[in-house]
Amino acid sequence: GAVVSQHPSRVICKSGTSVKIECRSLDFQATTMFWYRQFPKQSLMLMATSNEGSKATYEQGVEKDKFLINHASLTLSTLTVTSAHPEDSSFYICSARGSGDQPQHFGDGTRLSIL
Amino acid sequence: GQQLNQSPQSMFIQEGEDVSMNCTSSSIFNTWLWYKQEPGEGPVLLIALYKAGELTSNGRLTAQFGITRKDSFLNISASIPSDVGIYFCAGPETSGSRLTFGEGTQLTVNP
Repeated sequence: GAVVSQHPSRVICKSGTSVKIECRSLDFQATTMFWYRQFPKQSLMLMATSNEGSKATYEQGVEKDKFLINHASLTLSTLTVTSAHPEDSSFYICSARGSGDQPQHFGDGTRLSIL
Repeated sequence: GQQLNQSPQSMFIQEGEDVSMNCTSSSIFNTWLWYKQEPGEGPVLLIALYKAGELTSNGRLTAQFGITRKDSFLNISASIPSDVGIYFCAGPETSGSRLTFGEGTQLTVNP
């Protein structure tokens, strides 16, 4: 089946640090990748949608200068949380989707903890 | 936007019991997806439904896409402890490729 790899799985860093999270589709070409944030005991909240080679589309209330997304190839998207603060601590999950009606496949998530 | 109402919110069952959960929507979905999420991990696709009335099985899991395209159920037969997790229904919004998620059903299986 479709495999999506997300790295790192856990990050602990000081306030003010910028953190980069990678999302790779290992066995298919992802025309679209998605970045989600999930709070404890809640459903996934979409942050942004990115298509290869174009700018990401951010959801309302998500700061594009805070959460930088790059989708440079059909197999790689990155999310950079710039100047992270404790309120940015969360579980970040990426997903990737092929063309047509293909469903989204998710990475294993990144637990970000800002001290 | 579109919303998915998922129930029950949580279930506590004994190993071996059958489980049923469902999702309903006020609007039509053309695809219905069921995911399972275990603690500290991303959701894993269990079953994808593409046709109204479609009934699909994946091992002990069975899901059906309602004939009206506004509902779906997921059944788990003979539950085992490793079935523990949160089950989400989801469907792509008609306006694009974004997924709408249900609020999830937290399943606990007691051995």
